[in-house]
Amino acid sequence: QKEVEQDPGPLSVPEGAIVSLNCTYSNSAFQYFMWYRQYSRKGPELLMYTYSSGNKEDGRFTAQVDKSSKYISLFIRDSQPSDSATYLCAMRAQGGSEKLVFGKGTKLTVNP
Amino acid sequence: GAGVSQSPSNKVTEKGKDVELRCDPISGHTALYWYRQSLGQGLEFLIYFQGNSAPDKSGLPSDRFSAERTGGSVSTLTIQRTQQEDSAVYLCASSPRGRGAYEQYFGPGTRLTVT
Repeated sequence: QKEVEQDPGPLSVPEGAIVSLNCTYSNSAFQYFMWYRQYSRKGPELLMYTYSSGNKEDGRFTAQVDKSSKYISLFIRDSQPSDSATYLCAMRAQGGSEKLVFGKGTKLTVNP
Repeated sequence: GAGVSQSPSNKVTEKGKDVELRCDPISGHTALYWYRQSLGQGLEFLIYFQGNSAPDKSGLPSDRFSAERTGGSVSTLTIQRTQQEDSAVYLCASSPRGRGAYEQYFGPGTRLTVT
């Protein structure tokens, strides 16, 4: 079992839809949870960061972490064509190695 | 301000040749990371530098891979005797914090193709 599992999609939605992206993980030591957005042929850019459990909202984006279920989500409200990208979840444990463990990414297309 | 820069943006090399990939982190960032992104795969950690501490090399896939960071700034990832399975996008990231960093800024990557 991989440490982080993410459905690669692709996911195609109409403009204005609510998008739900998810990752599951197996390492209970993970404490930091991040979502990155990656446009084609670009490097990933940090969208959201959450420490431990809970919700975090930033504009149209909401990140949720459920540590009891080892499950994280990213919701995008009122999706726009400019949201079309690959979304990567990433995690790391507190202390220890600085490395991030990434999911494979979900490719999202928002159709106008 | 300037972000993380990487060069070259694309590199095509023949199997068995050595290649060097360069990363210029954001000025003042103390931590620097190398990742590899293969087709259909997520980002795979390779190596991490933090200040003058010994690097974390736990992600390097073989002894053909090495990296150095000179003067706490620019880093070079070297792949010796390249193989076709080394074809991937190599991404560099830097972070403004030391241990406990959670925010990494990525460069655009170097796309390596081994023929």
